Amino acid sequence: NAGVTQTPKFQVLKTGQSMTLQCAQDMNHNSMYWYRQDPGMGLRLIYYSASEGTTDKGEVPNGYNVSRLNKREFSLRLESAAPSQTSVYFCASSEGTSGGGRFFGPGTRLTVL
Amino acid sequence: DQQVKQNSPSLSVQEGRISILNCDYTNSMFDYFLWYKKYPAEGPTFLISISSIKDKNEDGRFTVFLNKSAKHLSLHIVPSQPGDSAVYFCAARRETGNQFYFGTGTSLTVIP
Repeated sequence: NAGVTQTPKFQVLKTGQSMTLQCAQDMNHNSMYWYRQDPGMGLRLIYYSASEGTTDKGEVPNGYNVSRLNKREFSLRLESAAPSQTSVYFCASSEGTSGGGRFFGPGTRLTVL
Repeated sequence: DQQVKQNSPSLSVQEGRISILNCDYTNSMFDYFLWYKKYPAEGPTFLISISSIKDKNEDGRFTVFLNKSAKHLSLHIVPSQPGDSAVYFCAARRETGNQFYFGTGTSLTVIP
């Protein structure tokens, strides 16, 4: 039972490059979330998916797209990376939306040069 | 605009004593609150929650208190243990929304 897994763990991009962060959960949760954490700030919600087939914007969605591929997987895509997107990205899941993401993945540390 | 604030970036406590971590919020529409613990290089771990219909919730060594009139919540850890050393985040949600707003975190060090 792996919980929430994220790939990759680390990534360095150049400005303008694109990439997709992958997230999967094996707890059969309906809701999944993407957060970013920046120094001196709390976690901020980028996008969430309340259930398979639905996605909604969070607090800081600009520059990102998401796909809820199936109940297990929720990916985050940066189409044209910018230095302001240098951050640690966390995926989370929970049974319902009241949890805000009770279970978090280990994070992806992204640096955009 | 930070709607959830943790004004103490760090806190040091002796092992066995009580740790009190504080959190303030500005939005009176927040009705559900969470506390998370985070170790370095790991994702946050859910600790305890409280609904606005309660003023206290306990789970083992962890108790969360909510003062709605003051828009303030606190997490008490008794007794504190060295393994409790971590960053603690509080988070809050509006009753009509699915989005949680997080504080900036308090780094707790429990000294053996």
